Amino acid sequence: DAGVIQSPRHEVTEMGQEVTLRCKPISGHDYLFWYRQTMMRGLELLIYFNNNVPIDDSGMPEDRFSAKMPNASFSTLKIQPSEPRDSAVYFCASSLARGNTEAFFGQGTRLTVV
Amino acid sequence: KQEVTQIPAALSVPEGENLVLNCSFTDSAIYNLQWFRQDPGKGLTSLLLIQSSQREQTSGRLNASLDKSSGRSTLYIAASQPGDSATYLCAAGDAGNNRKLIWGLGTSLAVNP
Repeated sequence: DAGVIQSPRHEVTEMGQEVTLRCKPISGHDYLFWYRQTMMRGLELLIYFNNNVPIDDSGMPEDRFSAKMPNASFSTLKIQPSEPRDSAVYFCASSLARGNTEAFFGQGTRLTVV
Repeated sequence: KQEVTQIPAALSVPEGENLVLNCSFTDSAIYNLQWFRQDPGKGLTSLLLIQSSQREQTSGRLNASLDKSSGRSTLYIAASQPGDSATYLCAAGDAGNNRKLIWGLGTSLAVNP
């Protein structure tokens, strides 16, 4: 398996624009996580899914953020409208429900909102 | 509310030295404790996972220990190499929601040849 795949790797957008980040988890994994990483706050869990169903979205900063998982092999994180303070690296990770439950991370999307 | 702290924030050592990275957490009711490595511009790679019932885990030159009663975990790296240079993060699994990880800010390690 190629691991968790995120796209794009880098995104630069203007304030107010809609941004969509994409993630393909490892095939067969039951859980999918979206994280945000900044220098000041480190890694923060935004939302996670189990079998495509959102379980905990308490980390989503505000209504401008939304996430979907229409099927087991694809998820999106959308920011609309984007603001400069959303600039960060966004990571997607996936894991199994049983056995080796460690999380496998994608390479991240570096988002810059100007 | 669980808080995870890593000290030091940065560490620079000569090649070959044995070193210890520290991680402390405020709530001993954790599900597990994980150590990750992050290289610049890259994602995170899981190094070691210690279940709450375990005291330590080993992988090659890495050894991680867990002392829940004192709220501490250490990552021991033996015979450090320049390739070990990276940021090391620890994360505590929430006992009430074992899929939720609470993260430290990391220790940035530089191993100098």
